[in-house]
Amino acid sequence: DTGVSQDPRHKITKRGQNVTFRCDPISEHNRLYWYRQTLGQGPEFLTYFQNEAQLEKSRLLSDRFSAERPKGSFSTLEIQRTEQGDSAMYLCASSPPGQGAHIGYEKLFFGSGTQLSVL
Amino acid sequence: DQQVKQNSPSLSVQEGRISILNCDYTNSMFDYFLWYKKYPAEGPTFLISISSIKDKNEDGRFTVFLNKSAKHLSLHIVPSQPGDSAVYFCAAPGPGDDKIIFGKGTRLHILP
Repeated sequence: DTGVSQDPRHKITKRGQNVTFRCDPISEHNRLYWYRQTLGQGPEFLTYFQNEAQLEKSRLLSDRFSAERPKGSFSTLEIQRTEQGDSAMYLCASSPPGQGAHIGYEKLFFGSGTQLSVL
Repeated sequence: DQQVKQNSPSLSVQEGRISILNCDYTNSMFDYFLWYKKYPAEGPTFLISISSIKDKNEDGRFTVFLNKSAKHLSLHIVPSQPGDSAVYFCAAPGPGDDKIIFGKGTRLHILP
């Protein structure tokens, strides 16, 4: 399987616990994105990496959230002291270097997501 | 502030008929638009796109129309098939950004 892989698929945790999600992008894709989707909403941008550099973070990403991509390959998203409002689908996507920005968007591949439920 | 708006949460269409999904945007700086399709328990997948220099782009059963003066685009699917039942997201890259802004989505039901 050469698609974007996310682990775990589902995570149930108690409020106040820390959780970590992993994303393995398509190999040779240098851009990696994290999005969050709640019920009835479209995916909302959280952060993105180009290689190992984190280039942009949304204001949605509070201090309790941290993302890393240490070697420019897989990425992790950690949520500390989870709150019930963190319950959502966390989507990872990757795209290759593009000759033009818009070409990259058409080749934005999403994983199946991690569904987080905070009790 | 919803820059990309999909005002119809759901739409039901008879199999074989035309499905029309609508999208409005507020930012006149958007110059490229995309439609994504999402099945349950899967991530969104790219469907079709259109540049602001065009008013129509067609790919098989899917056609996207862009009306820049009205800041409106629509996705036409004809003929609609059962496998088209999914959530459809309208999206646009933020001007000067490397991220995509999504609408809330429209759930399309194709009725037998």
